[in-house]
Amino acid sequence: KQEVTQIPAALSVPEGENLVLNCSFTDSAIYNLQWFRQDPGKGLTSLLLIQSSQREQTSGRLNASLDKSSGRSTLYIAASQPGDSATYLCAVLNQAGTALIFGKGTTLSVSS
Amino acid sequence: KAGVTQTPRYLIKTRGQQVTLSCSPISGHRSVSWYQQTPGQGLQFLFEYFSETQRNKGNFPGRFSGRQFSNSRSEMNVSTLELGDSALYLCASSLVPGQPQHFGDGTRLSIL
Repeated sequence: KQEVTQIPAALSVPEGENLVLNCSFTDSAIYNLQWFRQDPGKGLTSLLLIQSSQREQTSGRLNASLDKSSGRSTLYIAASQPGDSATYLCAVLNQAGTALIFGKGTTLSVSS
Repeated sequence: KAGVTQTPRYLIKTRGQQVTLSCSPISGHRSVSWYQQTPGQGLQFLFEYFSETQRNKGNFPGRFSGRQFSNSRSEMNVSTLELGDSALYLCASSLVPGQPQHFGDGTRLSIL
């Protein structure tokens, strides 16, 4: 059974810091991996998607890497801003492409 | 382009009642998935539909059911509501299975 773990559960940083969020999964047979952002009371916003054959994806200040063999992914946020404060969720899509399995998330707080 | 629309946004029910939630996917998207989000369990996969067929179902009791219509709109139904069914129910759509999933803002269901 696929399990996804995110560390740390919460993180507080001052504005301008670079930071790394970690995600690990137990079964390497995945279709892809997605990072999402969730603001309080809202749905999920997709940030980056990495196909199982890819190693990394970049969008603006965000960079996500995938090491399928070790079951790990990282989300790197450069030059953090208060607007980055949210919960970040990692999810793997099962190999059949039918179900996203989520971690519990990392709640990020960026202070100005 | 309109995003994923879920109705209603908020719902209050009592134990034993049943409820139907609705999801309209992004235009052109044919795959719809449903997830339950609670503080304790996080985000859990409920079911996934593609071309009106349920292709996968998560580990939920039979009280949880769903369907997809020919226009790709989807509904989920929960019968004999229990206090533990209080949650944010999120719907996501994608062009086809395996493509990035885009989430709605969810329906917050409260059981009294």
